[in-house]
Amino acid sequence: EAGVAQSPRYKIIEKRQSVAFWCNPISGHATLYWYQQILGQGPKLLIQFQNNGVVDDSQLPKDRFSAERLKGVDSTLKIQPAKLEDSAVYLCASSLGPTGTGADQETQYFGPGTRLLVL
Amino acid sequence: GDSVTQMEGPVTLSEEAFLTINCTYTATGYPSLFWYVQYPGEGLQLLLKATKADDKGSNKGFEATYRKETTSFHLEKGSVQVSDSAVYFCATMNYGGSQGNLIFGKGTKLSVKP
Repeated sequence: EAGVAQSPRYKIIEKRQSVAFWCNPISGHATLYWYQQILGQGPKLLIQFQNNGVVDDSQLPKDRFSAERLKGVDSTLKIQPAKLEDSAVYLCASSLGPTGTGADQETQYFGPGTRLLVL
Repeated sequence: GDSVTQMEGPVTLSEEAFLTINCTYTATGYPSLFWYVQYPGEGLQLLLKATKADDKGSNKGFEATYRKETTSFHLEKGSVQVSDSAVYFCATMNYGGSQGNLIFGKGTKLSVKP
């Protein structure tokens, strides 16, 4: 079974530029998550989708970050304009969600991440 | 809000030493608890989990027991190997949305020397 795919793996941009990340979850997973992991810290949830709807975006800086999952499968996360403090690893994860049973519903599987450096 | 506190690293051990990484949590209700591992240059991988009090999660020689009375989920391994060198994250499942999302600790870096 293929895992969560993310691209690009690395990105270097200058501040005030825009950048987009792409994620393809595990096939059949209804729930998709974007996390931000700053160096030396644990991942922090940015946004959670169930199918193509947003479940939780309370920690997404909406003045500069946006995300979509239009067809309920793959997703893009965009930053515009980027700031120095956005330098981090952006992780995508997916889980079965309501289509699963018991503990399988909630187990999240992570992609390799996109490492962003803003200069 | 919910939070997770892990022992600070880095932790350096010799091969075959005993490992304990402490983790405590604050949460409402009865969250599920997880340990994830992140090898250098890779994404997070689920190591083990426990969904209710007194459950023991285990995988690859690692174990952790869900202790509700002490709100703890300490990770242990009897004999570590060089290949266990990684960053370990403890996490709790927050059910704030219609489905839970993970609250992570800051991670503990483990280095195992031959």
